[in-house]
Amino acid sequence: SQQGEEDPQALSIQEGENATMNCSYKTSINNLQWYRQNSGRGLVHLILIRSNEREKHSGRLRVTLDTSKKSSSLLITASRAADTASYFCATEPYTGANSKLTFGKGITLSVRP
Amino acid sequence: DAGVIQSPRHEVTEMGQEVTLRCKPISGHNSLFWYRQTMMRGLELLIYFNNNVPIDDSGMPEDRFSAKMPNASFSTLKIQPSEPRDSAVYFCASSYQLADSYNEQFFGPGTRLTVL
Repeated sequence: SQQGEEDPQALSIQEGENATMNCSYKTSINNLQWYRQNSGRGLVHLILIRSNEREKHSGRLRVTLDTSKKSSSLLITASRAADTASYFCATEPYTGANSKLTFGKGITLSVRP
Repeated sequence: DAGVIQSPRHEVTEMGQEVTLRCKPISGHNSLFWYRQTMMRGLELLIYFNNNVPIDDSGMPEDRFSAKMPNASFSTLKIQPSEPRDSAVYFCASSYQLADSYNEQFFGPGTRLTVL
């Protein structure tokens, strides 16, 4: 079953605009991760935020986490055509040797040149 | 490092045939995951291994699916017999997990399976 549910399912913006994608989850987590998938490729890890963190930055990426609302958002600033991809949130309930990730269904982002 | 390697990249087969997908994880990683991705169901975890031992195979659809990891550098996912509804992209991912480490996964390029 899906733990993370992304919103919106699809997003189309103009190059240079900011893109905001949201993820909600149901059960408690140790950390939440965002991945990107370009067409025809495997997923690539973008950023991880721990349950005791509220905000994290990496280049043009900003991720927030609200554990009280069980939600996270990924902001891509000054978007580029190359950011066109699907974005997935994934939750990890605990760390350890037998841990696994549960992925959402993804958000399709289109950045128009 | 070459990353996670999967073969074949594309497989077209007829219903009833046996299909074997292969994966070589990143050297040094101790966890390996098999996923299936379809438009309808998204990304589903089929099975994962830690130190070559299957930990959770609850995602395997049915007995037609089996997976093995005979050593730290190789895993297979077998479908026998294959059915059209098995058509999907199958991903292998690996990670390095310790007791207190985070599960950042590295994905292979996937195998696109078409069962006619």
